[in-house]
Amino acid sequence: QVQLVESGGGVVQPGRSLRLSCAASGFTFSSYHMHWVRQTPGKGLEWVAVISYDGSNKYYGGSVNGRCTISRDNSKNTLYLQMNSLRTEDTAVYYCGREGQSSGYYMRAFDIWGQGTMVTVSS
Amino acid sequence: QSALTQPRSVSGSPGQSVSISCTGTSSDVGGYNYVSWYQHHPGKAPKLMFYDVNRRPSGVPDRFSVSKSGNTASLTISGLQAEDEADYYCCSYADSYTWVFGGGTKLTVL
Repeated sequence: QVQLVESGGGVVQPGRSLRLSCAASGFTFSSYHMHWVRQTPGKGLEWVAVISYDGSNKYYGGSVNGRCTISRDNSKNTLYLQMNSLRTEDTAVYYCGREGQSSGYYMRAFDIWGQGTMVTVSS
Repeated sequence: QSALTQPRSVSGSPGQSVSISCTGTSSDVGGYNYVSWYQHHPGKAPKLMFYDVNRRPSGVPDRFSVSKSGNTASLTISGLQAEDEADYYCCSYADSYTWVFGGGTKLTVL
């Protein structure tokens, strides 16, 4: 079935780096724009980044711009998020999400989500 | 990009109706017909409930409905059921290929 599975979360000290992965299955990964969204403890969802289906375009939310890099490997059906210079406020559950398609156009909405991976930034 | 404004919580008894508002600006909600809504049970993956303001994915009960006027979108749940208890988030596509979520609304079914 259609599935996204995140991994790579953990406990990391401030200032360090971490790379998250999102393994896709059950659909043609290379045809979809993919996103990262996070949920900070006790707070709501925050959009983090998007990468186009072919990896040629990338856009970031203001809170991570310049510190994070989104990438993908379509041969491995995998999405990545490289996070550098981590801050305590980056502590969150990180979800990958697929931007859905409807009648041949991109929905600007996330129709498939993973279960999330927890990142804790703490000394 | 500021988060869209949602009430922190709403509640209702089984069978009743509740509405959740989502207020943004002309750069997001008011500027695009790309508002989406998500249901999120803690510990689970969020679920898409509506996209393109009012398009409902298959499997979403028609007890759920949405609307938009100007910079404000709304989600209405009629005939509340216990399983509707969850967090609900609105989201809008915004300028410059970015997205913005609402702060989330906790729905309690009394």
